[in-house]
Amino acid sequence: SQQGEEDPQALSIQEGENATMNCSYKTSINNLQWYRQNSGRGLVHLILIRSNEREKHSGRLRVTLDTSKKSSSLLITASRAADTASYFCATAGGSGGTSYGKLTFGQGTILTVHP
Amino acid sequence: ETGVTQSPTHLIKTRGQQVTLRCSSQSGHNTVSWYQQALGQGPQFIFQYYREEENGRGNFPPRFSGLQFPNYSSELNVNALELDDSALYLCASSTPGTGEQFFGPGTRLTVL
Repeated sequence: SQQGEEDPQALSIQEGENATMNCSYKTSINNLQWYRQNSGRGLVHLILIRSNEREKHSGRLRVTLDTSKKSSSLLITASRAADTASYFCATAGGSGGTSYGKLTFGQGTILTVHP
Repeated sequence: ETGVTQSPTHLIKTRGQQVTLRCSSQSGHNTVSWYQQALGQGPQFIFQYYREEENGRGNFPPRFSGLQFPNYSSELNVNALELDDSALYLCASSTPGTGEQFFGPGTRLTVL
């Protein structure tokens, strides 16, 4: 079963615009990660934010985490056509042990960036 | 540094058959996780192997089984294939405690 929901399901923007994707989850977490997937192939890790962090940056990516609302957002600034892909949030369990390595993914957001 | 590799890339089987998918982990990674991704969905955790032992399992029936070898490569076996087993199967390797998982390109399985 999926951990939560991503919003929107699809996003279409012009090159140069910013793209914001949201993710909600249901249980306590150790960390939340964002992955990118091109054309139904393997996932590429983008960024990880731990449960005690509120914001993290990596290049054109900015991730926020609100554990009180069980939600996260991914902002891609100055988008490029090459950013066109599906984006998934994934949570890693908060209790450690065997649940720590299990990632629970959302349904994903399909981002299309038009040149 | 060699990334995660999976074989085969594509596979077509018929209902009731058995299939074995293979994964080579990234150099230095001793943990391998397997995920099933149906079309239009996010990946779902099948199980994880750490030092050749199963280390957590998702909500999948026993006909999904796995192995991890001393070199940390891994196999996913699925018996008695069903039509709903058609999906992209993803393998990911990691080291405990780091959180980040490195995914292979996947094996697309079609069950007819």
